[in-house]
Amino acid sequence: AQTVTQSQPEMSVQEAETVTLSCTYDTSENNYYLFWYKQPPSRQMILVIRQEAYKQQNATENRFSVNFQKAAKSFSLKISDSQLGDTAMYFCAFMGYNNNDMRFGAGTRLTVKP
Amino acid sequence: DVKVTQSSRYLVKRTGEKVFLECVQDMDHENMFWYRQDPGLGLRLIYFSYDVKMKEKGDIPEGYSVSREKKERFSLILESASTNQTSMYLCASSLSGTDLVAMNTEAFFGQGTRLTVV
Repeated sequence: AQTVTQSQPEMSVQEAETVTLSCTYDTSENNYYLFWYKQPPSRQMILVIRQEAYKQQNATENRFSVNFQKAAKSFSLKISDSQLGDTAMYFCAFMGYNNNDMRFGAGTRLTVKP
Repeated sequence: DVKVTQSSRYLVKRTGEKVFLECVQDMDHENMFWYRQDPGLGLRLIYFSYDVKMKEKGDIPEGYSVSREKKERFSLILESASTNQTSMYLCASSLSGTDLVAMNTEAFFGQGTRLTVV
């Protein structure tokens, strides 16, 4: 089964600064999806950004971007111009195209300080 | 707008009780998932279903079973609840992997059920 590792249990960043959350994964599949999900204190999980493994170009969504290194099996999330509303748990997730079971990492608790 | 609805937000049950957690999605998704969320452990996959009546074990299936009789509904069953099953339970649904690519979409989550077993 695939495994997803997030090695940073907690991080903090000053408002307006940039922070990078790390994620590595292990799989034998060649085609897969990677996701970053955000879980605010209200608990509802929402998608931040997605990346298809066959795409070499890193995905970006406004202030959020990823650094996808397929050979290294690394998928980090960069948050630019951090805002107080970015305070949340962030989870990295993996889904194979054929084996659709979706696996998550342990999460990183991000606190944005004013 | 995709909706994944879990039947209860908070639930308190006694040790030994049979517990049913229900999840319903309204987007005709093939895949449905049950996760358990505990601090420091993230989301751990309990069971996964890719079609009606089809199920696969995840990483922590012991003590749990599932039922998917209709495409929109995926039930998690605790046959005999124990205190170590006190946790947050999250349901999710998604299109199949290849359709995810075609539709450029993702998995959607319910609001979670906080289960306490006393």
